[in-house]
Amino acid sequence: GAVVSQHPSWVICKSGTSVKIECRSLDFQATTMFWYRQFPKQSLMLMATSNEGSKATYEQGVEKDKFLINHASLTLSTLTVTSAHPEDSSFYICSAPPAAGNTEAFFGQGTRLTVV
Amino acid sequence: DAKTTQPPSMDCAEGRAANLPCNHSTISGNEYVYWYRQIHSQGPQYIIHGLKNNETNEMASLIITEDRKSSTLILPHATLRDTAVYYCIVGSSNSGYALNFGKGTSLLVTP
Repeated sequence: GAVVSQHPSWVICKSGTSVKIECRSLDFQATTMFWYRQFPKQSLMLMATSNEGSKATYEQGVEKDKFLINHASLTLSTLTVTSAHPEDSSFYICSAPPAAGNTEAFFGQGTRLTVV
Repeated sequence: DAKTTQPPSMDCAEGRAANLPCNHSTISGNEYVYWYRQIHSQGPQYIIHGLKNNETNEMASLIITEDRKSSTLILPHATLRDTAVYYCIVGSSNSGYALNFGKGTSLLVTP
């Protein structure tokens, strides 16, 4: 089946620095990718939709200047957490809509971000 | 808000069938019922999905009521590795497959 790869799987950074998370579709092209955030003991919350060749769309309450999304190719979307603060510590997960011939979305492995 | 309702937690003895219910009374005609599970600190894993008919694969069975307002995920012989949070989600191409996760059911499989 279709595979979505996310990197890194975990990262620790200092407050005020920026962190980039990559999401790749390995064996199919994805014009759209979704970014989710999950706080401890909570469910996944959709943050934004990444669109290849155009601006991302953000869910209400998500700061677009803080969470920069770039979808420069059909197989790669990146999420950059800028000027990270401890409250940005979370589990970030990407997903891609179904590849041709499928009807299920696939998810990356997730990235555990800890800001100290 | 999520369009599904699930019990927050369930227990199941190892080797027995785990039946996880889900209510989705506002499901629309072109929406599928998806089941994913999430083991701690991992991305969600696809289990099964269906539109109207019951479905079975190597992982589980999905029973959808005739009115499509509820469904049950069945793990026929639960193992300890099936301990996870199970999410029932409705979605379709109309939403671009941006899945709206509810709180899910935390399934604990005990020895």
